[in-house]
Parts: sequence; structure tokens; C-alpha cells
Amino acid sequence: VQLVQSGAEVKKPGESLRISCKVSGDSFTNSWITWVRQMPGKGLEWMARIDPTDSYINYSPSFQGHVSISTDKSLGTAYLQWSSLKASDTAIYYCARHVRVATTVYNAFDVWGQGTMVTVSS
Amino acid sequence: IVMTQSPATLSVSPGKRVTLSCRASQNVNNNLAWYQQKPGLPPRLVIYGTSTRASGIPARFSGSGSGTDFTLTISSLQSEDFAVYYCQEYNDWPPRYTFGQGTKLEI
Repeated sequence: VQLVQSGAEVKKPGESLRISCKVSGDSFTNSWITWVRQMPGKGLEWMARIDPTDSYINYSPSFQGHVSISTDKSLGTAYLQWSSLKASDTAIYYCARHVRVATTVYNAFDVWGQGTMVTVSS
Repeated sequence: IVMTQSPATLSVSPGKRVTLSCRASQNVNNNLAWYQQKPGLPPRLVIYGTSTRASGIPARFSGSGSGTDFTLTISSLQSEDFAVYYCQEYNDWPPRYTFGQGTKLEI
């Protein structure tokens, strides 16, 4: 299984953005997709997760209302988007897949994308 | 839930045994994972469910603990093990899946 993310972005404050995460090597609906933020030189922050089967979503309260996630099953791709970026959104964003063992999905993440660097600067 | 890792930095020689600690501010049952991250790379899952090694992880890595106190042990450090290690709880509801602040393992 591979998760391949879209390339680095440079945006201005107030602009919108959508980044992507394409799943290959396995059925897209086999497991949940999660998004994690890593600000420059900092640790990991869980943002949100989505079940590609039915698009059921959970957001971290820290990110609820500022980002949205979605999927396109026909493309095997998950998305993370912002309607109005802030300078504080500058970070690397990772998508990752939840561990699945038989029919059980765990909320740990065993396959990661390479990360998308988002820079927001005027 | 607040996840606290200690120490922040650990300096160890190759071949030594090392134990990293992670404490949760409340009971997370066994819903605890460990990740390894090297500079410029995404995290790599090492342990989930407190003690289950992820696919491809060498047997020198082991996890233990329960409730609020957890440890990751590397029995004999190899050069490729020097990295930052994060613990993560996934017991909270609604989910926040909080990570610890990381322990940097250096030579």
C-alpha cells in the first residue's frame, strides 16, 4: 500500500487550498484515512479522520471549523482543504492509513504519505 | 488527555538497552502506539495496542504498560534507531488521538 500526496504549496493568507492523498496498492475503502499536522520543528498533531466507505468524519476540536476533509472513491483519493489560510497553517501535512487487522480497524497509523509542505506567507 | 514523554532527549551508545517512557493524564486502556520519525521523513509506526509490533519492525523493539504508564524498550540500539519517538493515545472520545511531545534518541 502506498499513499502519495500532492506537492508543496505556497499560498497567501486568506487563500483557499486543497491537498490530496492518493491510495494505491489496496482497496481505497479498506481502512480509514487520517490527517496529521507537523509544524516546523514541532511534534505531531492529529487533525481528522474519514471512513472512505461512507465518508463518516471525526475532527479534532483543535481543527474543527478550520479545515475540512473528504474523499473521492472513484479516484481513490482523500483531500484536506482550507477555505481561508492563515500564516499559522504553515506546516507539513501527512495523510496516513489506520491499521487494519482482519476486520478490526485500529486508530494507529501504519502507512503514511510523504507529506505535503504548505507555506502561508504574505 | 495529555501525553507526557520522558526524557525529552536521551543520549545512548549503540548496543545499549534503552527505555522510553510515556505517561497519560488519564486511563487510555491499551490504546497506545509508538512512532519513530527521522529527519525529513514521515513517522513510522513501531508499536500499537501497547505491545504489538507493526509489520517489519525488528524484535529488539518492545512495548509494555497499561492504564496511564507505558514504555518502549529497544534491547540493543542500532545506528538506524536514532530518531525521535512519539507515543500516541487513541482511546479518547470524541477522538483527539493526542501525541506526546517526543523523545529524541541520540548517539
